[in-house]
Amino acid sequence: AQSVTQLDSQVPVFEEAPVELRCNYSSSVSVYLFWYVQYPNQGLQLLLKYLSGSTLVESINGFEAEFNKSQTSFHLRKPSVHISDTAEYFCAVYNTDKLIFGTGTRLQVFP
Amino acid sequence: DSGVTQTPKHLITATGQRVTLRCSPRSGDLSVYWYQQSLDQGLQFLIQYYNGEERAKGNILERFSAQQFPDLHSELNLSSLELGDSALYFCASSPRLGQEQYFGPGTRLTVT
Repeated sequence: AQSVTQLDSQVPVFEEAPVELRCNYSSSVSVYLFWYVQYPNQGLQLLLKYLSGSTLVESINGFEAEFNKSQTSFHLRKPSVHISDTAEYFCAVYNTDKLIFGTGTRLQVFP
Repeated sequence: DSGVTQTPKHLITATGQRVTLRCSPRSGDLSVYWYQQSLDQGLQFLIQYYNGEERAKGNILERFSAQQFPDLHSELNLSSLELGDSALYFCASSPRLGQEQYFGPGTRLTVT
């Protein structure tokens, strides 16, 4: 069965510093990968997706993720974070009609 | 705003009771998914409907059931509620199978 691993439960970082949130998935023939963000007391918002094509995908608010098939990874990066990026980030893989989520990474941005 | 709506936003009820959660997908989306988010289990897939038909089942208890109506809205019924059923319940919809899912704001269920 497919699975998703987010090794870091919490990532503290100072404002304007770069950040990487790690995500690894179990191997599959074809894979669709997603990052969702959940702000406090809100639902999940789609941040970015990899379905096919370019292995580097970007979001409108400066995040990017790279699909690496050999390392079965889909790490999320941002070169300079803002206080407003403080949230829970979930990596997910689509498998047989459902999304399988990782356990989430809490990104805490300090001033 | 994802375009997916869920009601109610909050629900407080007692053990043994039955509740119904409602979801309206984004306009044009045929697929509806239900997920449960709790501190100990994380985000877990419950069930999926596609154009009125049940398509996939996950870790859904027998006390729980769902359906999708001809107008594509969906309801999740939770019965014989237990304290452990307290969680956030999310509905999501998708334009096509295998594509991204758009989540509603969730219903926070508290069982006392």
